[in-house]
Amino acid sequence: EIVLTQSPGTLSLSPGERAALSCRASQDININYLVWYQQKPGQAPRVLIFGASNRATGIPDRFSGSGSGTDFTLTISRLEPEDFAVYYCQQYGDSLTFGGGTKVEIK
Amino acid sequence: QLVESGGGLVRPGGSLRLSCAASGFTLDTYWMHWVRQVSGGGLVWVSRINTDGSDTTYAGSVKGRFIISRDNTKNTLYLQMNSLRPEDTAVYYCASFTAMVPIWGQGTLVTVSS
Repeated sequence: EIVLTQSPGTLSLSPGERAALSCRASQDININYLVWYQQKPGQAPRVLIFGASNRATGIPDRFSGSGSGTDFTLTISRLEPEDFAVYYCQQYGDSLTFGGGTKVEIK
Repeated sequence: QLVESGGGLVRPGGSLRLSCAASGFTLDTYWMHWVRQVSGGGLVWVSRINTDGSDTTYAGSVKGRFIISRDNTKNTLYLQMNSLRPEDTAVYYCASFTAMVPIWGQGTLVTVSS
């Protein structure tokens, strides 16, 4: 089973700042099957990025995904108030696993 | 769109059947999954089924107690949950990762408590 490790566990930032969230895999991942989600309390996960770097429909361009192999990054270029949430990475190329999540909180 | 139903409060040892109805597309070409999330916790894969229901897989924590199935004529996915335990308390999501962009339902809450 591929283990996904997200870091940091919590990111404390102010609106307007840049956020960089890491997702590291225990072995190489097919980038076509790497997804980033945003989740707010009481809501289902929302797809932000699929295929490691493709924004889903309606996702603002301040969100970007990058990476390959075992190291992937979700970047939020300038945090807006609605971006404070929990973010998960997921791979489904080899079974299906999720990272433990990164909480982006207001500093 | 995927819409789950069937969640609720059940006593330990009891059973519950979740449903996941698809609208706007037909399920029969999609592998389907159940994923759960305990309150304040992360996302955990539970089970998956292939397009015609002939192949199923389960997480170790639910194997032998949960049964995933589908009825493509009704465009619906199911999760039969038996011998429920307090640690099964969670929001259960149905999802598909067959298309380029994953599709998720809104979730249904299952609470196992006496």
